Amino acid sequence: AQSVTQLGSHVSVSEGALVLLRCNYSSSVPPYLFWYVQYPNQGLQLLLKYTSAATLVKGINGFEAEFKKSETSFHLTKPSAHMSDAAEYFCAVTHSNDYKLSFGAGTTVTVRA
Amino acid sequence: GAVVSQHPSRVICKSGTSVKIECRSLDFQATTMFWYRQFPKQSLMLMATSNEGSKATYEQGVEKDKFLINHASLTLSTLTVTSAHPEDSSFYICSAQIVEGTRSGEPQHFGDGTRLSIL
Repeated sequence: AQSVTQLGSHVSVSEGALVLLRCNYSSSVPPYLFWYVQYPNQGLQLLLKYTSAATLVKGINGFEAEFKKSETSFHLTKPSAHMSDAAEYFCAVTHSNDYKLSFGAGTTVTVRA
Repeated sequence: GAVVSQHPSRVICKSGTSVKIECRSLDFQATTMFWYRQFPKQSLMLMATSNEGSKATYEQGVEKDKFLINHASLTLSTLTVTSAHPEDSSFYICSAQIVEGTRSGEPQHFGDGTRLSIL
């Protein structure tokens, strides 16, 4: 079985500040990990993915995430928040033995001017 | 690349109506497509997995006769909500995965969702 826990349902940051979204996973086999972003009334857009290559993964829109096996974490960061980063963010996990994605509960990001 | 088109984006209809939602992979072939339901302020809930040329696999608690899924080709899956009632109102999202993507960590690519409102 696999699961994802996103710590913090809501994160508020000032424009230009660091964005840090936490994700911890549980998987009995090596995982594939993803971060998706969802804007209001839209589907999910892939930000980045970890598939057992480099542990530091760079994605779109200046986001990156680091896979830490010892901590079973895959936290998402962006050095400087922009107003357009306000959205819902989902961490998800799967692995090669299963095709299903397990999603976290999501984290809402608001950006203050 | 990897664009998924979902249509319609919004549907408002009367109770008892059947509604069909289409999900198309525009620039790739998708062996597997997924249908999700999302309630306000919540995460995505997998309803069913659709494989081209075979019957869909439904998650526990999802009514097969209520939510009919057809995956007729490698680029098209449809979800039909039959005899819809107000409790079926929700945001429905599809996703598609490139052939053989599962074992290589290929991500699911999502459509823009369909807002279904049953009056």
